[in-house]
Amino acid sequence: DAKTTQPNSMESNEEEPVHLPCNHSTISGTDYIHWYRQLPSQGPEYVIHGLTSNVNNRMASLAIAEDRKSSTLILHRATLRDAAVYYCILRVPGSARQLTFGSGTQLTVLP
Amino acid sequence: DAEITQSPRHKITETGRQVTLACHQIWNHNNMFWYRQDLGHGLRLIHYSYGVQDTNKGEVSDGYSVSRSNTEDLPLTLESAASSQTSVYFCASSRQGTAGELFFGEGSRLTVL
Repeated sequence: DAKTTQPNSMESNEEEPVHLPCNHSTISGTDYIHWYRQLPSQGPEYVIHGLTSNVNNRMASLAIAEDRKSSTLILHRATLRDAAVYYCILRVPGSARQLTFGSGTQLTVLP
Repeated sequence: DAEITQSPRHKITETGRQVTLACHQIWNHNNMFWYRQDLGHGLRLIHYSYGVQDTNKGEVSDGYSVSRSNTEDLPLTLESAASSQTSVYFCASSRQGTAGELFFGEGSRLTVL
Protein backbone atom coordinates (compact mmCIF):
# COMPACT_ATOMS: atom_id res chain seq x y z
CA ASP A 1 0.00 0.00 0.00
CA ALA A 2 1.15 3.49 -0.76
CA LYS A 3 2.49 5.43 2.22
CA THR A 4 2.82 9.10 2.94
CA THR A 5 5.82 10.85 4.44
CA GLN A 6 5.64 14.15 6.28
CA PRO A 7 8.09 16.17 8.36
CA ASN A 8 7.62 15.67 12.07
CA SER A 9 7.33 19.36 12.85
CA MET A 10 7.27 22.82 11.29
CA GLU A 11 7.11 26.36 12.57
CA SER A 12 5.49 29.42 11.12
CA ASN A 13 4.98 33.01 12.11
CA GLU A 14 1.47 34.28 12.60
CA GLU A 15 -0.16 35.83 9.52
CA GLU A 16 2.43 34.32 7.19
CA PRO A 17 1.74 31.54 4.66
CA VAL A 18 2.56 27.97 5.59
CA HIS A 19 3.44 25.20 3.14
CA LEU A 20 3.11 21.72 4.60
CA PRO A 21 4.65 19.04 2.35
CA CYS A 22 3.66 15.41 1.89
CA ASN A 23 5.43 12.78 -0.18
CA HIS A 24 3.50 9.84 -1.61
CA SER A 25 5.83 8.45 -4.25
CA THR A 26 3.97 5.12 -4.61
CA ILE A 27 0.51 6.65 -5.06
CA SER A 28 -1.81 4.83 -7.45
CA GLY A 29 -4.14 6.36 -10.00
CA THR A 30 -7.27 5.95 -7.88
CA ASP A 31 -5.83 7.34 -4.63
CA TYR A 32 -7.31 10.59 -3.40
CA ILE A 33 -5.03 12.82 -1.33
CA HIS A 34 -6.67 13.90 1.91
CA TRP A 35 -5.53 16.31 4.58
CA TYR A 36 -6.80 16.43 8.13
CA ARG A 37 -5.74 18.35 11.17
CA GLN A 38 -6.06 17.62 14.85
CA LEU A 39 -6.24 20.35 17.43
CA PRO A 40 -5.20 19.50 21.00
CA SER A 41 -7.68 17.22 22.77
CA GLN A 42 -9.97 17.04 19.74
CA GLY A 43 -10.76 14.55 17.02
CA PRO A 44 -9.20 15.00 13.59
CA GLU A 45 -10.91 17.50 11.31
CA TYR A 46 -11.15 17.31 7.54
CA VAL A 47 -9.27 20.09 5.75
CA ILE A 48 -9.23 19.35 2.03
CA HIS A 49 -8.80 16.61 -0.54
CA GLY A 50 -7.98 16.25 -4.22
CA LEU A 51 -7.15 13.79 -6.97
CA THR A 52 -5.15 15.53 -9.69
CA SER A 53 -5.96 19.21 -9.85
CA ASN A 54 -5.16 21.84 -7.28
CA VAL A 55 -8.03 22.53 -4.91
CA ASN A 56 -9.09 25.50 -2.84
CA ASN A 57 -11.58 25.84 -0.03
CA ARG A 58 -12.21 28.24 2.80
CA MET A 59 -9.65 26.59 5.02
CA ALA A 60 -6.71 25.96 2.73
CA SER A 61 -5.35 25.16 -0.71
CA LEU A 62 -3.98 21.86 -1.92
CA ALA A 63 -1.27 21.86 -4.54
CA ILE A 64 -0.68 18.48 -6.20
CA ALA A 65 2.46 17.80 -8.19
CA GLU A 66 1.98 16.91 -11.83
CA ASP A 67 3.25 13.37 -11.24
CA ARG A 68 1.11 13.17 -8.06
CA LYS A 69 4.05 11.91 -6.04
CA SER A 70 3.86 14.83 -3.67
CA SER A 71 1.44 17.47 -2.49
CA THR A 72 1.49 20.60 -0.40
CA LEU A 73 -1.13 21.95 1.95
CA ILE A 74 -1.09 25.72 1.93
CA LEU A 75 -2.45 27.83 4.75
CA HIS A 76 -2.48 31.32 3.30
CA ARG A 77 -2.29 33.23 6.59
CA ALA A 78 -1.48 31.17 9.63
CA THR A 79 -3.24 32.02 12.85
CA LEU A 80 -2.59 30.76 16.35
CA ARG A 81 -5.68 28.58 15.97
CA ASP A 82 -3.98 26.74 13.11
CA ALA A 83 -1.49 25.18 15.51
CA ALA A 84 -2.26 21.48 15.19
CA VAL A 85 -1.03 18.16 13.88
CA TYR A 86 -1.62 17.92 10.14
CA TYR A 87 -2.10 14.52 8.52
CA CYS A 88 -1.78 13.63 4.87
CA ILE A 89 -3.39 10.32 3.91
CA LEU A 90 -4.42 8.52 0.73
CA ARG A 91 -7.95 7.21 0.27
CA VAL A 92 -9.49 4.91 -2.29
CA PRO A 93 -13.27 4.97 -2.78
CA GLY A 94 -14.90 1.90 -1.28
CA SER A 95 -11.69 0.63 0.25
CA ALA A 96 -10.20 0.72 3.71
CA ARG A 97 -6.70 0.65 2.28
CA GLN A 98 -4.44 3.39 3.50
CA LEU A 99 -6.91 4.55 6.10
CA THR A 100 -4.27 4.44 8.79
CA PHE A 101 -2.86 7.84 9.63
CA GLY A 102 0.84 8.36 10.21
CA SER A 103 2.26 10.67 12.85
CA GLY A 104 1.64 13.82 10.82
CA THR A 105 3.33 17.21 11.06
CA GLN A 106 3.10 19.23 14.26
CA LEU A 107 2.65 22.85 13.19
CA THR A 108 3.66 25.51 15.67
CA VAL A 109 2.51 29.06 14.97
CA LEU A 110 4.58 31.77 16.59
CA PRO A 111 2.95 35.08 17.56
CA ASP B 1 -21.33 18.79 8.59
CA ALA B 2 -21.89 15.35 10.08
CA GLU B 3 -22.44 15.05 13.77
CA ILE B 4 -20.91 12.01 15.36
CA THR B 5 -21.00 11.42 19.08
CA GLN B 6 -19.02 9.09 21.28
CA SER B 7 -19.74 7.89 24.80
CA PRO B 8 -18.43 7.72 27.37
CA ARG B 9 -15.87 10.45 26.85
CA HIS B 10 -13.77 9.16 29.73
CA LYS B 11 -13.75 5.73 31.33
CA ILE B 12 -11.57 3.94 33.84
CA THR B 13 -11.88 0.18 34.08
CA GLU B 14 -10.00 -2.81 35.41
CA THR B 15 -8.10 -5.48 33.57
CA GLY B 16 -10.35 -8.28 32.40
CA ARG B 17 -13.59 -6.33 32.35
CA GLN B 18 -15.71 -5.97 29.24
CA VAL B 19 -16.01 -2.42 27.96
CA THR B 20 -18.19 -1.00 25.21
CA LEU B 21 -17.61 2.37 23.60
CA ALA B 22 -20.57 3.81 21.76
CA CYS B 23 -20.49 5.72 18.48
CA HIS B 24 -23.57 7.34 16.93
CA GLN B 25 -23.82 9.40 13.78
CA ILE B 26 -26.90 11.23 12.57
CA TRP B 27 -26.20 11.41 8.85
CA ASN B 28 -26.84 7.80 7.86
CA HIS B 29 -23.32 7.42 6.55
CA ASN B 30 -22.72 3.86 5.42
CA ASN B 31 -19.02 3.85 6.30
CA MET B 32 -17.95 3.88 9.93
CA PHE B 33 -14.52 3.40 11.48
CA TRP B 34 -12.85 2.99 14.85
CA TYR B 35 -9.30 4.23 15.47
CA ARG B 36 -7.05 4.30 18.48
CA GLN B 37 -4.45 6.97 19.07
CA ASP B 38 -1.35 6.50 21.15
CA LEU B 39 1.70 8.70 21.53
CA GLY B 40 4.18 7.97 18.77
CA HIS B 41 1.74 5.92 16.69
CA GLY B 42 -0.65 8.40 15.15
CA LEU B 43 -4.10 7.00 14.44
CA ARG B 44 -4.41 3.26 13.86
CA LEU B 45 -7.46 1.57 12.36
CA ILE B 46 -9.14 -1.03 14.59
CA HIS B 47 -12.32 -2.05 12.75
CA TYR B 48 -14.51 -0.61 10.03
CA SER B 49 -17.91 -1.18 8.48
CA TYR B 50 -19.35 -0.37 5.07
CA GLY B 51 -22.96 -0.94 6.07
CA VAL B 52 -25.42 -2.85 8.21
CA GLN B 53 -24.17 -6.34 9.08
CA ASP B 54 -20.78 -5.59 7.51
CA THR B 55 -17.68 -5.49 9.71
CA ASN B 56 -14.00 -5.73 8.84
CA LYS B 57 -10.74 -5.93 10.75
CA GLY B 58 -8.25 -3.14 10.59
CA GLU B 59 -4.59 -2.94 11.44
CA VAL B 60 -4.93 -3.48 15.21
CA SER B 61 -8.11 -5.52 15.69
CA ASP B 62 -6.94 -8.11 18.23
CA GLY B 63 -8.93 -7.84 21.46
CA TYR B 64 -11.68 -5.71 19.88
CA SER B 65 -15.00 -6.42 18.19
CA VAL B 66 -17.72 -4.35 16.55
CA SER B 67 -21.26 -4.96 15.42
CA ARG B 68 -23.41 -3.00 12.96
CA SER B 69 -27.11 -3.62 13.51
CA ASN B 70 -28.21 -0.26 12.10
CA THR B 71 -26.74 2.53 10.02
CA GLU B 72 -26.29 5.03 12.84
CA ASP B 73 -24.30 3.04 15.39
CA LEU B 74 -21.02 1.14 15.54
CA PRO B 75 -20.22 0.12 19.13
CA LEU B 76 -16.68 -1.01 19.90
CA THR B 77 -16.32 -3.79 22.48
CA LEU B 78 -13.23 -4.80 24.40
CA GLU B 79 -14.09 -8.33 25.50
CA SER B 80 -11.45 -8.48 28.24
CA ALA B 81 -9.72 -5.16 28.72
CA ALA B 82 -5.93 -5.13 28.96
CA SER B 83 -3.58 -2.37 30.07
CA SER B 84 -2.23 -2.22 26.52
CA GLN B 85 -5.66 -0.99 25.44
CA THR B 86 -5.33 2.21 27.43
CA SER B 87 -5.69 4.78 24.69
CA VAL B 88 -7.85 7.45 23.12
CA TYR B 89 -10.43 6.00 20.77
CA PHE B 90 -11.93 7.88 17.83
CA CYS B 91 -14.95 6.95 15.80
CA ALA B 92 -15.39 8.28 12.26
CA SER B 93 -17.89 8.06 9.42
CA SER B 94 -18.05 8.87 5.73
CA ARG B 95 -20.49 8.57 2.87
CA GLN B 96 -20.64 5.41 0.81
CA GLY B 97 -18.69 4.89 -2.37
CA THR B 98 -16.81 8.16 -2.38
CA ALA B 99 -13.38 9.32 -1.41
CA GLY B 100 -15.10 11.95 0.64
CA GLU B 101 -14.05 13.25 3.96
CA LEU B 102 -14.04 11.38 7.24
CA PHE B 103 -15.99 12.97 10.08
CA PHE B 104 -14.57 12.22 13.51
CA GLY B 105 -16.04 12.16 16.97
CA GLU B 106 -14.45 13.92 19.93
CA GLY B 107 -12.83 10.77 21.24
CA SER B 108 -13.16 8.45 24.22
CA ARG B 109 -10.29 8.23 26.65
CA LEU B 110 -10.04 4.75 28.14
CA THR B 111 -7.78 3.84 31.04
CA VAL B 112 -7.35 0.17 31.94
CA LEU B 113 -5.84 -0.36 35.40
